[in-house]
Amino acid sequence: DIQMTQSPSSLSASVGDRVTITCRASQMIMTYLNWYQQKPGKAPQLLIYAASYLQSGVPSRFSGSAFRTDFTLTISSLQPEDFATYYCQQSYSSPWTFGQGTKVEIK
Amino acid sequence: QVQLQQWGAGLLKPSETLSLTCSVYDGSFSGYFWSWIRQAPGKGLEWIGEIDHSSSTNNNPSFNYNPSLKTRVTISADASKSQFSLNLTSVTAADSAVYYCARRGSGWHTWGQGTLVTVSS
Repeated sequence: DIQMTQSPSSLSASVGDRVTITCRASQMIMTYLNWYQQKPGKAPQLLIYAASYLQSGVPSRFSGSAFRTDFTLTISSLQPEDFATYYCQQSYSSPWTFGQGTKVEIK
Repeated sequence: QVQLQQWGAGLLKPSETLSLTCSVYDGSFSGYFWSWIRQAPGKGLEWIGEIDHSSSTNNNPSFNYNPSLKTRVTISADASKSQFSLNLTSVTAADSAVYYCARRGSGWHTWGQGTLVTVSS
């Protein structure tokens, strides 16, 4: 199975901050990497697919990038509604696997 | 816009079989992958398996299961009803989780509301 490792596991930030979350794959997965946002008690929502493509309806302050086996989710200016847990997920090889999550909390 | 509505028993005893069904509204059932994903309390996401209805030959959909659960999982579908189902046999407390159905394209872009399943004697 492909292991996905996110860092950090949690972070505290203020509204307006630039936030970066990293995900590393245990092997090459090209750009088969998706990012999700999950709020308490809700299903995850797809933010970014294929490493850098913004899902329809997702604000442009979210962006994704890739370099070899390292992937980054960036929130350019954190908004109150962005406090949530974020997951990366590889869609290169079954079984599809997720990172352990990064919880973004209010500072 | 497609919506997924899921249902099933929320409280099971050890060794029983978990059964959940997901119905697809306002969207095509054919042409997509239909998945089940779970999340144990306070934990991350785990993909359980999926049925592949993406091919035009929908009379013979294919299945793909997580090897960690493969011996206990069966996913089935009734395309005429736009429904797909999950059966997980011989459940234990470790199977207690919120179970989600979801549609996969480039990522899982449509999700059901989730069903909390608790396994307890």
